[in-house]
Amino acid sequence: DAGITQSPRHKVTETGTPVTLRCHQTENHRYMYWYRQDPGHGLRLIHYSYGVKDTDKGEVSDGYSVSRSKTEDFLLTLESATSSQTSVYFCAISIQGTTEAFFGQGTRLTVV
Amino acid sequence: EDQVTQSPEALRLQEGESSSLNCSYTVSGLRGLFWYRQDPGKGPEFLFTLYSAGEEKEKERLKATLTKKESFLHITAPKPEDSATYLCAVQASNTGKLIFGQGTTLQVKP
Repeated sequence: DAGITQSPRHKVTETGTPVTLRCHQTENHRYMYWYRQDPGHGLRLIHYSYGVKDTDKGEVSDGYSVSRSKTEDFLLTLESATSSQTSVYFCAISIQGTTEAFFGQGTRLTVV
Repeated sequence: EDQVTQSPEALRLQEGESSSLNCSYTVSGLRGLFWYRQDPGKGPEFLFTLYSAGEEKEKERLKATLTKKESFLHITAPKPEDSATYLCAVQASNTGKLIFGQGTTLQVKP
């Protein structure tokens, strides 16, 4: 594994509650990404970061926010979880935006 | 619109039976094409990066090739441990974002 830790690995939460997922890296890579993976949709980019406090939206960013206050940590927050956000969430890192990304082990989130 | 399509969705092979997976893409300027392997319950594992048409990369029984419109992942004499989902992704020059296909699930039977 490329020094990426996602926490928690599994979470069940209720509709309407806030949820924060954490991605921690030990590689000092500049780029960090959050993806969700759903059957029939593959991997879709939610948000990404190209440096501390520098973030941008991906293709499915509605209902999600992110923060990166340190190089090693990238947080994904669901302000008010909905059942449509039940998914497996993956964090990824890359040295540059043009190089390959390495993925974490994923967080399985269930919103009931 | 940038798009990646992988085929077939699923593939069953006997051990030793070689085959190819296809990744077709449309993108406004290709910065790179990536192949990943994903085992159940795990994150994608990086395999190859291809940058220009005609480029080839090899790793054990896997060989990836690239043309201007598609990439192939050739699997030679596969073994049961090659069973996994194989993902293709392209990075567009204008956005820099990775766009993934839906993957091909390969099952190799002994």
